[in-house]
Amino acid sequence: GESVGLHLPTLSVQEGDNSIINCAYSNSASDYFIWYKQESGKGPQFIIDIRSNMDKRQGQRVTVLLNKTVKHLSLQIAATQPGDSAVYFCAESIQGAQKLVFGQGTRLTINP
Amino acid sequence: ETGVTQTPRHLVMGMTNKKSLKCEQHLGHNAMYWYKQSAKKPLELMFVYNFKEQTENNSVPSRFSPECPNSSHLFLHLHTLQPEDSALYLCASSHSGRGTDTQYFGPGTRLTVL
Repeated sequence: GESVGLHLPTLSVQEGDNSIINCAYSNSASDYFIWYKQESGKGPQFIIDIRSNMDKRQGQRVTVLLNKTVKHLSLQIAATQPGDSAVYFCAESIQGAQKLVFGQGTRLTINP
Repeated sequence: ETGVTQTPRHLVMGMTNKKSLKCEQHLGHNAMYWYKQSAKKPLELMFVYNFKEQTENNSVPSRFSPECPNSSHLFLHLHTLQPEDSALYLCASSHSGRGTDTQYFGPGTRLTVL
């Protein structure tokens, strides 16, 4: 069945360093992937998405990598800032489906 | 702000109470969603409405009753809830009901059932 999971529930990095958050998915039919950021007391906020016909997509300080061979998704955040501290969720969707399947979430902590 | 508002932000209710959660989106979207977010569990999709029609009910107990009077408003009516229903309830909207449409979330209602 559909399942999306994260390798690590928590991640701590030094301010200014790069961080990588990983996600594994099990449904090879998934063709759309999205990362959300959820800060304390707020709802999830869209960060970046990628479709299965791409391997990499870049945004502002963020890069998403998709490896369909091993069904792995990662979010790279460059030069982390205190405001990057949050829980990050990956989610997947299958073409034609009406729903996203969310992963467990990884809590990213930025140390000063 | 994402353009999706939810009220109330916090709610405490007894198991015999009846209450309603409200969601409003100002984005001109046609699809709206209810999610449940519990500690240490992934976001659980509850309901999907597309052009005011319910298109997804993810095996949600009948003590949760959604209502979508128009594309901008979504309600979740609660009655005879259980303590395990305590969670953050998130509303989201998207342009259409396609899974590839970006969903924009509200801040959530923190519900505590005593």
